[in-house]
Amino acid sequence: GQQLNQSPQSMFIQEGEDVSMNCTSSSIFNTWLWYKQDPGEGPVLLIALYKAGELTSNGRLTAQFGITRKDSFLNISASIPSDVGIYFCAGLSSGANSKLTFGKGITLSVRP
Amino acid sequence: NAGVTQTPKFRILKIGQSMTLQCTQDMNHNYMYWYRQDPGMGLKLIYYSVGAGITDKGEVPNGYNVSRSTTEDFPLRLELAAPSQTSVYFCASSYPDSDLFYGYTFGSGTRLTVV
Repeated sequence: GQQLNQSPQSMFIQEGEDVSMNCTSSSIFNTWLWYKQDPGEGPVLLIALYKAGELTSNGRLTAQFGITRKDSFLNISASIPSDVGIYFCAGLSSGANSKLTFGKGITLSVRP
Repeated sequence: NAGVTQTPKFRILKIGQSMTLQCTQDMNHNYMYWYRQDPGMGLKLIYYSVGAGITDKGEVPNGYNVSRSTTEDFPLRLELAAPSQTSVYFCASSYPDSDLFYGYTFGSGTRLTVV
């Protein structure tokens, strides 16, 4: 089946630093999504990408839909303590009953 | 709007007991999903439903059952709880018929421990 690869499993950064995460797949996706999960909560959508090459920003977050449609990147600039959480990528392929495929997530820790 | 509401938030079960995890959404979404999340393993799909009266198995359905009698509700049933079912369970919903897919809306989860 389809798989999304996110690594490393954990990242540790200093407050104020920028951080970049990527998500890769052997399959093509038509939509890429990035979610953040705060401790004790459900995942919340951060950014949605719909076109190959698309670059979208949401505040300090910027995400890109890879040209090959097999990868996506999320950048967080000037990190702050509330950026702590698990970041999931998700992809949607075409077809009836198509369901989201999720990566395993990256746990981000931010040192004050 | 409340979005996706899950109850209870926490539960401890003894081995062999049964329980129902409740999930309700007020967004008139057609599609609903149940996931379980284990540390470092991401989200695994248990069951999903594309509308009232229609359900289908996901990746890890064994030990669970679902029903979808209304658009709003999608309960998940554990009949004979086992320690392997200790996990955090998330319900989600979506409206895939829109021109742009806005992803799934998740509930805040039910943390289940089986002892």
